[in-house]
Amino acid sequence: EVQLVESGGGLVQPGGSLRLSCAASGFNFSNYNINWVRQAPGKGLEWVSYISGTGLTIYYADSVKGRFTISRDNAKNSLYLQMNSLRDEDTAVYYCASHGTTGNFDYWGQGTLVTVSS
Amino acid sequence: SYEVTQLPSVSVSPGQTASITCSGDKLGNKYVCWYQQKPGQSPVLVIYQDNKRPSGIPERFSGSNSGNTATLTISGTQAMDEADYYCQAWDSNTGVFGGGTKLTVL
Repeated sequence: EVQLVESGGGLVQPGGSLRLSCAASGFNFSNYNINWVRQAPGKGLEWVSYISGTGLTIYYADSVKGRFTISRDNAKNSLYLQMNSLRDEDTAVYYCASHGTTGNFDYWGQGTLVTVSS
Repeated sequence: SYEVTQLPSVSVSPGQTASITCSGDKLGNKYVCWYQQKPGQSPVLVIYQDNKRPSGIPERFSGSNSGNTATLTISGTQAMDEADYYCQAWDSNTGVFGGGTKLTVL
């Protein structure tokens, strides 16, 4: 069974940093491209970042470019999102989601809540 | 940047057909997928590659995509289908979601 489990969320002050993790199981992690998607409270879904299975190809949404860094450790079946210079508008539930062959997000984790507030 | 647009809400009576649309410039040239999200839950993929259903998704869910509009159709809508629905595509290496449509079954 495919499982994605996010962790690392919490309360952080504006300008602060946080590192999210996503632990994968039930599939050959290194063969899969993975995304981060977020959802602000009461709002819609927003794509954040993509990383290929090898880690060599990375994309970011303009809203996080230069502040967030996606990475992965295939030996640990883990995905990460380093978030720096956090803003109020980064407050959201952050999901990791596997990337299907035609760009769909086929499996999702349960999400981890990041709250940016003073 | 590329945008796709959804109506905020759609209502349907039980047993009737619900149509949820997603509009974007030349959207028919891109693959569109659809997600269902119920309150407090993670999104679930219900349609991918315009019209394909993942394993476990009921046959009453179908999709189409042509021109500037993609459509998610739910035939014989059930109360359990009440949820938020999001369309999604890719443009220039950027994932793009619609704003979501709240489907009410009443």
